[in-house]
Amino acid sequence: DAGVIQSPRHEVTEMGQEVTLRCKPISGHNSLFWYRQTMMRGLELLIYFNNNVPIDDSGMPEDRFSAKMPNASFSTLKIQPSEPRDSAVYFCASSMGYQETQYFGPGTRLLVL
Amino acid sequence: EDQVTQSPEALRLQEGESSSLNCSYTVSGLRGLFWYRQDPGKGPEFLFTLYSAGEEKEKERLKATLTKKESFLHITAPKPEDSATYLCAVQPPQGAQKLVFGQGTRLTINP
Repeated sequence: DAGVIQSPRHEVTEMGQEVTLRCKPISGHNSLFWYRQTMMRGLELLIYFNNNVPIDDSGMPEDRFSAKMPNASFSTLKIQPSEPRDSAVYFCASSMGYQETQYFGPGTRLLVL
Repeated sequence: EDQVTQSPEALRLQEGESSSLNCSYTVSGLRGLFWYRQDPGKGPEFLFTLYSAGEEKEKERLKATLTKKESFLHITAPKPEDSATYLCAVQPPQGAQKLVFGQGTRLTINP
């Protein structure tokens, strides 16, 4: 079975540019999570969706970050404009059910110059 | 505030040398505690979920245990392929989908 799919796997961009990260959750999972991982702060939850509806976006660092889930099989995390401090690995995870185990994708490594 | 502390930060063992990793937490009414393994350049891979004090789970050379304040990940006779970062996460009862992760223990097994 396919796991969580993320694209692109690597992204290098210049400060001020728009960045869009994509995620396809595991089929049948109805919860989706976006995390950011850095050496300093570890894994941090940015936002999560349940049945395509954003439930908690309190982890989104600022208005430059936005996330959407137009359907059960696709989500995007957008950064506009990007800044060097946004450089990190961004993970998407999904789970079946409200409180079940989360399964992570391979991540997108973002470098903002 | 819910907190998860993992120790040690890094551990280097010889192949076959058993040891334990610790995850201590401060959360009221823990709903679940998760262990993940993360290899360099990859996403966390799910290992175990523990729900109540006294519970134990095993998978190959790994055994996870849970008390009211901490969890241990015991590794028995490890092999070089067990080298990875091991992450612990707690799931509080309120907002139960919001996992709180520790910083991880970076484990290296030398042949």
